[in-house]
Amino acid sequence: EVQLVESGGGLVQPGGSLSLSCAASGFTFSTYGMNWVRQAPGKGLEWVSGISASGTDTYYADSVKGRFTISRDNSKNTLSLQMNSLRAEDTAVYFCAKPLRFLDAFDVWGRGTMVTVSS
Amino acid sequence: QSALTQPASVSGSPGQSITISCTGTSSDVGGFNYVSWYQQHPGTAPKLMIYDVSNRPSGVSNRFSGSKSGNTASLTISGLQAEDEADYYCSSYTSISTVIFGGGTNLTVL
Repeated sequence: EVQLVESGGGLVQPGGSLSLSCAASGFTFSTYGMNWVRQAPGKGLEWVSGISASGTDTYYADSVKGRFTISRDNSKNTLSLQMNSLRAEDTAVYFCAKPLRFLDAFDVWGRGTMVTVSS
Repeated sequence: QSALTQPASVSGSPGQSITISCTGTSSDVGGFNYVSWYQQHPGTAPKLMIYDVSNRPSGVSNRFSGSKSGNTASLTISGLQAEDEADYYCSSYTSISTVIFGGGTNLTVL
């Protein structure tokens, strides 16, 4: 079964840092680009970041550029998102998502992990 | 970059058909055939319903169909069923190698 499981969410103060992880199973992780998508409470979906299959190419939404870093470990089938200088507006459920190709349709989603930025 | 434009809500009676629009620009929807549609029920992860404008993943009902004209994509659901009540989001690849989502449409089955 193809599965994505996020972890690492929690409560953090404004200006703080948090690292999210996504464990992948059931497919050849190293052959797919991967993405993070977030959803603020009661709001719509927002694409956050994407990384190529090899990890050499990374892409970010303007809202997180310079603060968030996406990375992957193909030997451990793990996707990560390092979030620094967190703001209240970063409060959201963060989903790990597998695309059909790379920056396109997301056919597999995790259940998400909640990040709350508050003092 | 602003979100793609979707109506906030649509409604229809069981058995009827509804269409949800998704308007972007020539830098996203109009420039690429990489428009997708997602269904999301409360408290769950989104589910891919349409990809590449009009293709259905395996297991998705053929009551769901997609199309595009210029900078506007559309999702049509025919033979509405109670289980179709959910939020629907469109998305598109963009010219700056990002992904942009629509603001979402809440579908109510009357």
